[in-house]
Amino acid sequence: ETGVTQSPTHLIKTRGQQVTLRCSSQSGHNTVSWYQQALGQGPQFIFQYYREEENGRGNFPPRFSGLQFPNYSSELNVNALELDDSALYLCASSLLGDREREKLFFGSGTQLSVL
Amino acid sequence: SQKIEQNSEALNIQEGKTATLTCNYTNYSPAYLQWYRQDPGRGPVFLLLIRENEKEKRKERLKVTFDTTLKQSLFHITASQPADSATYLCAPLDSNYQLIWGAGTKLIIKP
Repeated sequence: ETGVTQSPTHLIKTRGQQVTLRCSSQSGHNTVSWYQQALGQGPQFIFQYYREEENGRGNFPPRFSGLQFPNYSSELNVNALELDDSALYLCASSLLGDREREKLFFGSGTQLSVL
Repeated sequence: SQKIEQNSEALNIQEGKTATLTCNYTNYSPAYLQWYRQDPGRGPVFLLLIRENEKEKRKERLKVTFDTTLKQSLFHITASQPADSATYLCAPLDSNYQLIWGAGTKLIIKP
């Protein structure tokens, strides 16, 4: 168990709708990263938050947005859902600044299906 | 652009043998590289991290090598067991200090 929890585990939406995915980081971690993983592919970096500020962003459009809260929990919001947004969304927490702890701790993900 | 390549086909290994997985990267020099294991429907789990100044890293039955000249990392599982069956992901650090992920290699250990 990594101590990172994500909700919901599964979600079905229709095209054009909006969705919010949630993540609770491992205790003591100050950084959360969100990834999108299509079937048979590696995770694609969406963005990272460090102490409530965006700290890097991958090649995703602005309709993908996020928040990190003072307790280091996090949300991923996706507006105007498209069929290609169907994927496993992974949240990973880490402790930025600690050289020995650069590894990521992942949640089990939210499987999003857009119909 | 920075690119990661892992064996795209599943690797079938007999129980007890050594499994070797390959990760090749192009167009950059990562400061370190990580390996993760992912089971179906689950998030990746960290296994090992190897830095550019390290040739080899070991953890129990796992061994990782890092050849910065060949731009390649090899991941070995010795005395493989059916429980080692999973997808293994390679993730070098990119120039923006984020991990770039390969598509993974599915490893199947047959009893």
